[in-house]
Amino acid sequence: RKEVEQDPGPFNVPEGATVAFNCTYSNSASQSFFWYRQDCRKEPKLLMSVYSSGNEDGRFTAQLNRASQYISLLIRDSKLSDSATYLCVVIANTGGFKTIFGAGTRLFVKA
Amino acid sequence: GAGVSQSPSNKVTEKGKDVELRCDPISGHTALYWYRQSLGQGLEFLIYFQGNSAPDKSGLPSDRFSAERTGGSVSTLTIQRTQQEDSAVYLCASSPRGSGRASSYNEQFFGPGTRLTVL
Repeated sequence: RKEVEQDPGPFNVPEGATVAFNCTYSNSASQSFFWYRQDCRKEPKLLMSVYSSGNEDGRFTAQLNRASQYISLLIRDSKLSDSATYLCVVIANTGGFKTIFGAGTRLFVKA
Repeated sequence: GAGVSQSPSNKVTEKGKDVELRCDPISGHTALYWYRQSLGQGLEFLIYFQGNSAPDKSGLPSDRFSAERTGGSVSTLTIQRTQQEDSAVYLCASSPRGSGRASSYNEQFFGPGTRLTVL
């Protein structure tokens, strides 16, 4: 079983749609959680950190459920420019801090 | 300011040769990370440095892989006796602290990567 699992998609949605991605993690020592975005043939860039109480940044909302060991990302009012791969990232304390990336969920937003 | 830079941007080598990949992190960032990404796949964690120390080397795929960091700055990833399965994009990232907390101090900034092709 992978340490961080995501639905690979692709998710194909029309502009203006609301779309949600989930990510599960297996290491209970996981401490910190992030969503990164990666455009085709580009390096990943931080989209948002995920806090225990949940957090929102414009059209993006991230939630963390420690009991069930999953995090989610909700995108409202999708734009064409949101088309990308969304990577779930977990940092686990393994003696050092190990960063584990999920394989990513691909999103295509269509006009 | 200058971001993370990596060199070379592309490297084509023959099976069995050694290669050295370089990463220049953002000035002042204490944590530095190496990943690799095969075509259409997610990022695979290789190693990270806190200063010049590497607390976790468990991600290195084999003993052909090694990395070092000097002066708390530049890092090199060396792959000895390269194999075709080593072909991938090798990404380097740095962050201000790398303590593991979900804060802006631990945002990882990525370089553009080195695309390694082993023939």
